[in-house]
Amino acid sequence: RKEVEQDPGPFNVPEGATVAFNCTYSNSASQSFFWYRQDCRKEPKLLMSVYSSGNEDGRFTAQLNRASQYISLLIRDSKLSDSATYLCVVIRNTDKLIFGTGTRLQVFP
Amino acid sequence: GAGVSQTPSNKVTEKGKYVELRCDPISGHTALYWYRQSLGQGPEFLIYFQGTGAADDSGLPNDRFFAVRPEGSVSTLKIQRTERGDSAVYLCASSVRGGDRGGELFFGEGSRLTVL
Repeated sequence: RKEVEQDPGPFNVPEGATVAFNCTYSNSASQSFFWYRQDCRKEPKLLMSVYSSGNEDGRFTAQLNRASQYISLLIRDSKLSDSATYLCVVIRNTDKLIFGTGTRLQVFP
Repeated sequence: GAGVSQTPSNKVTEKGKYVELRCDPISGHTALYWYRQSLGQGPEFLIYFQGTGAADDSGLPNDRFFAVRPEGSVSTLKIQRTERGDSAVYLCASSVRGGDRGGELFFGEGSRLTVL
């Protein structure tokens, strides 16, 4: 079993839709959590950190459930430019970032 | 530019050859990471440097892979006796202090390695 698991998708949604991705992690010692975005044939870039209390950045909301060991990303009012792969990232206490496989999102007009 | 620079951007080699991939991190970033990414997969951790030392090399798949960062800045990933299964995009990233303490990793555009 992979340490960080995501549904690879693709999620195909119309513009304006709300879409949510989940990510589960297996190591309960995991301490920090992030979502990265990767466009096709480009490098990953930080989208947002995930805090225990949940956090929001514009149309994006991230939540953490430590008891169930999953994190989520909610995107409201999807834009065509949101089409990308969303990578879930987990850090244990060694500064090693573990990436999930990624969830591919395709927003269509 | 001010970002992470990786060279070469593309490398085609034959099975059994030796390859070096270079990473020039953002100036002042003490942490440097190497990942590799295959099509349809997320980045797979290889090694992490804090300064000149390898803080965690648990992701190196076998002893054909080796990485150095002699002066705490530029890093070189070295692959001996390349195999077709080594074909992937090799990503380098740097961070101010380290993934958890520094937060954001800044990635280079990657070196695409193809082993024929």
